[in-house]
Amino acid sequence: GAVVSQHPSRVICKSGTSVKIECRSLDFQATTMFWYRQFPKQSLMLMATSNEGSKATYEQGVEKDKFLINHASLTLSTLTVTSAHPEDSSFYICSARDRNGDYTDTQYFGPGTRLTVL
Amino acid sequence: LAKTTQPISMDSYEGQEVNITCSHNNIATNDYITWYQQFPSQGPRFIIQGYKTKVTNEVASLFIPADRKSSTLSLPRVSLSDTAVYYCLVGDGQAGTALIFGKGTTLSVSS
Repeated sequence: GAVVSQHPSRVICKSGTSVKIECRSLDFQATTMFWYRQFPKQSLMLMATSNEGSKATYEQGVEKDKFLINHASLTLSTLTVTSAHPEDSSFYICSARDRNGDYTDTQYFGPGTRLTVL
Repeated sequence: LAKTTQPISMDSYEGQEVNITCSHNNIATNDYITWYQQFPSQGPRFIIQGYKTKVTNEVASLFIPADRKSSTLSLPRVSLSDTAVYYCLVGDGQAGTALIFGKGTTLSVSS
């Protein structure tokens, strides 16, 4: 299947700093990527849809000024957590769809980024 | 998006076949059924996807009855390394539509 990578895999930062997470589709192009957040023992929660060349679409309750998303190319989307606080500590996962040879797309996920804010 | 219902947890032993059933009573005509596996601190891994009847790949089989209101993921001869959370998702497979996750099924395999 298609491969999605994320960088960094884990980051520890001080409260008040900003953190950038990169998501790349390695062997396919993705006009749309998705960002999820997962807290311990919980399921994945969709944060936003990242659209190449246009503004991201955020889910209800997600602060767009805090979680900045940039989809600069067909293979790269970035999520910047601005002025991070301890409550932003979580596991952030990106994903993208790739056509799987059928007439539907399959959503592939990155390995995730563990953010810890001290 | 159609909601799904799965058992919260299941227990099995090595070498057994495990069947996880998912209910999706409100599935739409354009929706596909996709199953993912997730280990702790990793992103979900695609297992199998189907629309109707039976789909089989090298790791699992997916059974979908004619009314498509449920589906069953079948894992043959599980091992300890199959201990994970399994998610059943339903979506129309369109490029701009994200999958919405439910709670998933935590499968525990013992020796």
